[in-house]
Amino acid sequence: EVQLVESGGGLVQPGGSLRLCCAASGFTFSRHWMHWVRQAPGKGLVWVSRMSGDESRTKYADSVKGRFTISRDNAKNTLYLQMNSLRAEDTAVYYCAREGLGYYDWLFSWGQGTLVTVAS
Amino acid sequence: QTVVTQEPSLTVSPGGTVTLTCASSSGAVTSGYWPNWFQQKPGQAPRALIYNTSNKHSWTPARFSGSLLGGKAALTLSGVQPEDEAEYYCLLYYGGDWVFGGGTKLTVL
Repeated sequence: EVQLVESGGGLVQPGGSLRLCCAASGFTFSRHWMHWVRQAPGKGLVWVSRMSGDESRTKYADSVKGRFTISRDNAKNTLYLQMNSLRAEDTAVYYCAREGLGYYDWLFSWGQGTLVTVAS
Repeated sequence: QTVVTQEPSLTVSPGGTVTLTCASSSGAVTSGYWPNWFQQKPGQAPRALIYNTSNKHSWTPARFSGSLLGGKAALTLSGVQPEDEAEYYCLLYYGGDWVFGGGTKLTVL
């Protein structure tokens, strides 16, 4: 069974940093592209970032480009999101998601999310 | 800045049929946007329903179907059940960027 478990969320001051983790199990992690998606309280879903299985390719939403870095450790079956220069508008639940094996099955399976709150 | 637009809210009676749509500010939605649809219930993570316009996952109930309709992506629910009350999001691909619609709150009443 595919399982994705996010951790690392919490309260951080504006301008601060946080690293989110997503522990994966139940599938061959290195074979799959992975995404981060966020959802501000009471708001809709927003795509954040994507990384290839071999770590060679990444993409970011304009709103986080230059501040957030996606990475992964395939030996540890873990996806990361390093978030720097955090702003109040980055407050959200952050989900990691795995692409499916079907064509253009972008977000096949999701974790339960981790809440990041940026406030002083 | 591309905007993907969905109906903010829809209401349907149990057993009825409803179609949710997903429009792009850049023009007609085609299969090349590889539309995906997701369901989210309160307090839960989203769940994938439809990928690549019309493909269902193994867990997607048969009453859900995806299509292209009048220049938009569409999600049709036929024979709506009370448990289908939820927020529904579409996702479109823009050549290396992904944009969600604002979501449709579906009420079954």
